[in-house]
Amino acid sequence: KQEVTQIPAALSVPEGENLVLNCSFTDSAIYNLQWFRQDPGKGLTSLLLIQSSQREQTSGRLNASLDKSSGRSTLYIAASQPGDSATYLCAVRQYFGSGNTGKLIFGQGTTLQVKP
Amino acid sequence: GAGVSQSPSNKVTEKGKDVELRCDPISGHTALYWYRQSLGQGLEFLIYFQGNSAPDKSGLPSDRFSAERTGGSVSTLTIQRTQQEDSAVYLCASSSGQGLTEAFFGQGTRLTVV
Repeated sequence: KQEVTQIPAALSVPEGENLVLNCSFTDSAIYNLQWFRQDPGKGLTSLLLIQSSQREQTSGRLNASLDKSSGRSTLYIAASQPGDSATYLCAVRQYFGSGNTGKLIFGQGTTLQVKP
Repeated sequence: GAGVSQSPSNKVTEKGKDVELRCDPISGHTALYWYRQSLGQGLEFLIYFQGNSAPDKSGLPSDRFSAERTGGSVSTLTIQRTQQEDSAVYLCASSSGQGLTEAFFGQGTRLTVV
């Protein structure tokens, strides 16, 4: 059974710092991995999608990497800002077959606070 | 609309009543997902629809929960005989390309059972 873990559960940093959020998964047979952010009381906003054949994806100050063989992904946030404060979630989608469907399996999230 | 739309945004119901939650996916998206998020908790998978395939219902917590997707578009999640532990935010998402592309979420329905 696929399990997704995010460490740390919470993180507080001063504005301007570069930071890394971690996501690990137990079954490397994934199709892709997606990073989301969730603001309090809101739905999820998609940040980046990495296909299993890719090593990284970039969007603005965000860079996500994927090492499928070791079951790890990282989300790098450069020059953090107070507006980056939110909960960040990673989710994996496994290959179809062997009882797996296309559902997304989520980690518990990392709650980030960026202090001015 | 351009995004995933869920209604109502908030629902307060009495214990024992039935409720229906609606999700309008992005037009043309073949995959639709329902998740539940209890206060301070992670996302709990409920059900996944992909095109005309049989849905993955493996996450439904009890037989009080059911979902339909009519015409491959709008989906309704029904909770019968609601209990206080059903109180949560119910989130819907959709994606295209056999469901293997980026998933987009709606803003959720906050359900409170009193």
